[in-house]
Amino acid sequence: AQKVTQAQTEISVVEKEDVTLDCVYETRDTTYYLFWYKQPPSGELVFLIRRNSFDEQNEISGRYSWNFQKSTSSFNFTITASQVVDSAVYFCALSEALGGQNFVFGPGTRLSVLP
Amino acid sequence: EPEVTQTPSHQVTQMGQEVILRCVPISNHLYFYWYRQILGQKVEFLVSFYNNEISEKSEIFDDQFSVERPDGSNFTLKIRSTKLEDSAMYFCASRIRDQETQYFGPGTRLLVL
Repeated sequence: AQKVTQAQTEISVVEKEDVTLDCVYETRDTTYYLFWYKQPPSGELVFLIRRNSFDEQNEISGRYSWNFQKSTSSFNFTITASQVVDSAVYFCALSEALGGQNFVFGPGTRLSVLP
Repeated sequence: EPEVTQTPSHQVTQMGQEVILRCVPISNHLYFYWYRQILGQKVEFLVSFYNNEISEKSEIFDDQFSVERPDGSNFTLKIRSTKLEDSAMYFCASRIRDQETQYFGPGTRLLVL
């Protein structure tokens, strides 16, 4: 069965600090996809990144970077030099190649960036 | 940039009433989904829809729920007889064939009194 764990319920940092959000997943499939979504206070779900299980290259996009480690079933997300606008709930999600490819979401991590 | 849209943004209803939540997926997308998020909790899968039929549904998606694609653009979620515990944010999502990323609408916040 699929499962996504985000052990950090809430994190508070001061602006300009770096912060890492953890995500650990469980799946029996050999082909799967991992995602991060941002949910700002307005409530919508904003797509940030997708990773395929066969591509372990880490990715950087501006202040955002992602570290995919298949050996530890983790897909962590780092925000460098955090800003107040980064304050949101961040969800990690998993979908498997077989079946309807519906997402299983983690419980989310609420990030508060203080000025 | 094309977006998934949902209407209404908010709906308040009395317990036992029927509600229909509407979604317009991105125009060339073929796979459609409904998810719900109870306040402060995680996003949960309800149902997926492809080729005019349900592909998969969760245990939450019981006989009170139904989905429909009444025309070429809309995708609806109907709750026949709402319960208090149906109060949640409902998200529609869609994706293109061979692309795993789902794009989410802004959600409909449903409050059942």
